[in-house]
Amino acid sequence: QKEVEQNSGPLSVPEGAIASLNCTYSDRGSQSFFWYRQYSGKSPELIMSIYSNGDKEDGRFTAQLNKASQYVSLLIRDSQPSDSATYLCVGNTPLVFGKGTRLSVIA
Amino acid sequence: EPEVTQTPSHQVTQMGQEVILRCVPISNHLYFYWYRQILGQKVEFLVSFYNNEISEKSEIFDDQFSVERPDGSNFTLKIRSTKLEDSAMYFCASSERWGLAKNIQYFGAGTRLSVL
Repeated sequence: QKEVEQNSGPLSVPEGAIASLNCTYSDRGSQSFFWYRQYSGKSPELIMSIYSNGDKEDGRFTAQLNKASQYVSLLIRDSQPSDSATYLCVGNTPLVFGKGTRLSVIA
Repeated sequence: EPEVTQTPSHQVTQMGQEVILRCVPISNHLYFYWYRQILGQKVEFLVSFYNNEISEKSEIFDDQFSVERPDGSNFTLKIRSTKLEDSAMYFCASSERWGLAKNIQYFGAGTRLSVL
C-alpha cells in the first residue's frame, strides 16, 4: 500500500526563521511529488512540485527530493504568520496524501 | 484565473438519502478526480475519470458511489444511500494531464457533506 508519512506537528517557528518540513514515502515507483498548503476548512492549494532528485526553488520555498532515501522536504525561508497552515506532502498517481504537518509561525 | 468550482458548499442530508455533489472542472482539463477528507483526517483519493470512464478508484469507492459527466462541463459524484460515516469534505480536482510526471491537480473549495 502506498503511504506518505509526515510528522503531524505542530511545528512552531518564529517569524523570519526557516521552517523545515519533511516526509517519507513507501512507493519507489512514485515519480512526482507535491507540497500542498491547506488552511483550516479550506481546500488544498499547490505550493511546489518536484520530479527530479535535488533541490527546486520558488521564491521563499525550496523543495528537495531524494529518491534513494525516499525522502521529500520543503523549506520555507523568512517564515511569515500567513504561512501558518497544514502542509501536505503528496505523491502520485493518483495522489497519495500524507496526514500533513501543522506549521505555526509566531510573530 | 481558471478554477474548479463545486456546489453546494454545504449539503445536509438524512441517512439513507441520495446526494449528488457537483463540480465544474477547469475548462481545458481532461482528467477529473474526487477526494474526501473526514474531519481531522487526511485527504483520501476516491476516483479518477477520463474520457467518460473511471480510470482508477480506491477501496472507498464502493457500489454506493458513482460518477458521471452528464454534459460538457459538469462532473458529479453520487452517493446512493448515505451513511453517517460518509460525512466529510468532498473535493473535486482536475488536471490537464495524466501519468507519471507533471500531473498537477487543482482543487475546488469542497462540499461539506453532513449526514444526520
